Amino acid sequence: AQSVTQLGSHVSVSEGALVLLRCNYSSSVPPYLFWYVQYPNQGLQLLLKYTSAATLVKGINGFEAEFKKSETSFHLTKPSAHMSDAAEYFCAVSGSTLGRLYFGRGTQLTVWP
Amino acid sequence: DGGITQSPKYLFRKEGQNVTLSCEQNLNHDAMYWYRQDPGQGLRLIYYSQIVNDFQKGDIAEGYSVSREKKESFPLTVTSAQKNPTAFYLCASSIVNSGNQETQYFGPGTRLLVL
Repeated sequence: AQSVTQLGSHVSVSEGALVLLRCNYSSSVPPYLFWYVQYPNQGLQLLLKYTSAATLVKGINGFEAEFKKSETSFHLTKPSAHMSDAAEYFCAVSGSTLGRLYFGRGTQLTVWP
Repeated sequence: DGGITQSPKYLFRKEGQNVTLSCEQNLNHDAMYWYRQDPGQGLRLIYYSQIVNDFQKGDIAEGYSVSREKKESFPLTVTSAQKNPTAFYLCASSIVNSGNQETQYFGPGTRLLVL
């Protein structure tokens, strides 16, 4: 079975500060991991995905995530937050190459000027 | 202009009424999904379809029905049996890459409100 835990339902940072959004997963098989971003009243946009090719994954808008098997983690980071990064972020896991995703409950990121 | 479209953007349902949410994609994706989003609960899978004329229940299928008569269309009906339908509904479709790995892409969503 697969599941995702996102630690911290709300994260606040100042503009220019490091962004760190935490995601831990549980999977009985090698996982495929995703981060999505959602702006208010919109659908989800794919930020990045881990597909076992490289443990450090770079995505859009300056975000990256590192897969750590020993820690069962896939935390999302960005060196310098921008006001436009304010949104809700979802981590998701798939336990196979094909099929359904299991989502975390989301982390709302607030960026202060 | 390729993508996933959902309509309407807002939908109001009266007591005892069935309503249908539209999802269309022109990306030639095989699989399509319906999720329900409630505040603080993430996304929960309602139904999914990996091929035309076939679909499977997700985690919260009770009170919902779907059809998949065409590859590009996957409408969701919220029936009167769904007692708490107020939520944001998201449709997704997916593509399988050359490495046989699937990625889901999402539509803009439909917000359903009960009158």
